[in-house]
Amino acid sequence: QSVLTQPPSLSGAPGQRVTISCTGSSSNIGAGFDVHWYQQLPGTAPKLLIFRNANRPSGVPDRFSGSKSGTSASLAISGLQAEDEADYYCQSYDSSSLSGSYVFGTGTKVTVL
Amino acid sequence: QVQLQESGPGLVKPSETLSLTCTVSGGSISSYYWSWIRQPPGKGLEWIGFIYSSGSVNYNPSLKSRLTISIDTSKNQFSLKLTSVTAADTAMYYCARDSGDSSGYYSYWGLGTLVTVSS
Repeated sequence: QSVLTQPPSLSGAPGQRVTISCTGSSSNIGAGFDVHWYQQLPGTAPKLLIFRNANRPSGVPDRFSGSKSGTSASLAISGLQAEDEADYYCQSYDSSSLSGSYVFGTGTKVTVL
Repeated sequence: QVQLQESGPGLVKPSETLSLTCTVSGGSISSYYWSWIRQPPGKGLEWIGFIYSSGSVNYNPSLKSRLTISIDTSKNQFSLKLTSVTAADTAMYYCARDSGDSSGYYSYWGLGTLVTVSS
């Protein structure tokens, strides 16, 4: 099972703000490793949404923002739109094994009411 | 624009070896980390492992004993072999490329290929 925990589901009305948490530990987020976020629309490959904790690739709306503190990270979506209905995953690096490994969060399904 | 395309059998029998290839176009395979990531139906993403263009690898500890990732720079391809598969290995398999700055995030993804393990 994943070492990064996310809420299974969140919902919000259009225009509202939702925040997705990604909880890790001292061997990953708490050790200072960066957190990245992906959006996966139904039936498609994941798409990079936020990199290195708080940076948006070109083309990603500024409604999406990321932050990191301690052993957790968050992805906020403000001004929720119907097209934001998707699964969201955080990703980081975990140093608990001998050679370390990348890990994904458990995923959060966002529903727009 | 870099594009990645997975290819390989969509059906593999239990106990056999799953083999996939990712072909990279629109850019060089050199100087990047190339990864495999999978997603069982209805479930989350699982990092499988990566290979650097030099050939150095890092594998998910839970798959390490069954996994080999290799690279052919002359063909701009990298491959995955997973031995002794079971139904638990049924998943959409994605290949992906990192950002190039060792930050570990994936800027480019293939469309994915569904592999079913069944007799």
